[in-house]
Amino acid sequence: SQTIHQWPATLVQPVGSPLSLECTVEGTSNPNLYWYRQAAGRGLQLLFYSIGIGQISSEVPQNLSASRPQDRQFILSSKKLLLSDSGFYLCAWALGADTQYFGPGTRLTVL
Amino acid sequence: AQSVSQHNHHVILSEAASLELGCNYSYGGTVNLFWYVQYPGQHLQLLLKYFSGDPLVKGIKGFEAEFIKSKFSFNLRKPSVQWSDTAEYFCAVTPGGSGGYNKLIFGAGTRLAVHP
Repeated sequence: SQTIHQWPATLVQPVGSPLSLECTVEGTSNPNLYWYRQAAGRGLQLLFYSIGIGQISSEVPQNLSASRPQDRQFILSSKKLLLSDSGFYLCAWALGADTQYFGPGTRLTVL
Repeated sequence: AQSVSQHNHHVILSEAASLELGCNYSYGGTVNLFWYVQYPGQHLQLLLKYFSGDPLVKGIKGFEAEFIKSKFSFNLRKPSVQWSDTAEYFCAVTPGGSGGYNKLIFGAGTRLAVHP
């Protein structure tokens, strides 16, 4: 069966520091991968999606970037964090246009 | 821009009460519709989905939802809630036929608390 992992689970970072969040999927090949963010009191917002290695699409202009160095690995990064980057970050995978399955999430607090 | 509205942000019910959570979306074309649920301390998981066919969709744990195209709605229902249904519920929409991937647009969520 397929599983999706995210780490770290929680992170507290100072403003201006770099960020790297990792997501890996097991038990499937060539999945579509997605990064979402949930800010306090709001729904999930799609940040990036990828349909293959090295193929990244950005949905909203922001301080973040994403990379997909391997088929089942998706990384969310920032060179310098802002206060507004605080939130709950979720990774998801799907096969084609089918249902998306979500990871446990990373809660990021930028101070 | 496409959007999803969930009208109830917090709902408090007693066990055995009936539940209906509203969801409306703004998009004029074909859509795929989802309800996700997040139980305390657990992953976001799929409750049910509608892609095509019978507009009345049945999901896990006795939940169902009805797609009413003319009202741009996809309301979630359960005839008798249990304490274990305490969770946050998210409605999500994606344009149908988006070519091999889905870009989910989520509502803000509804927090349901069920009291014994």
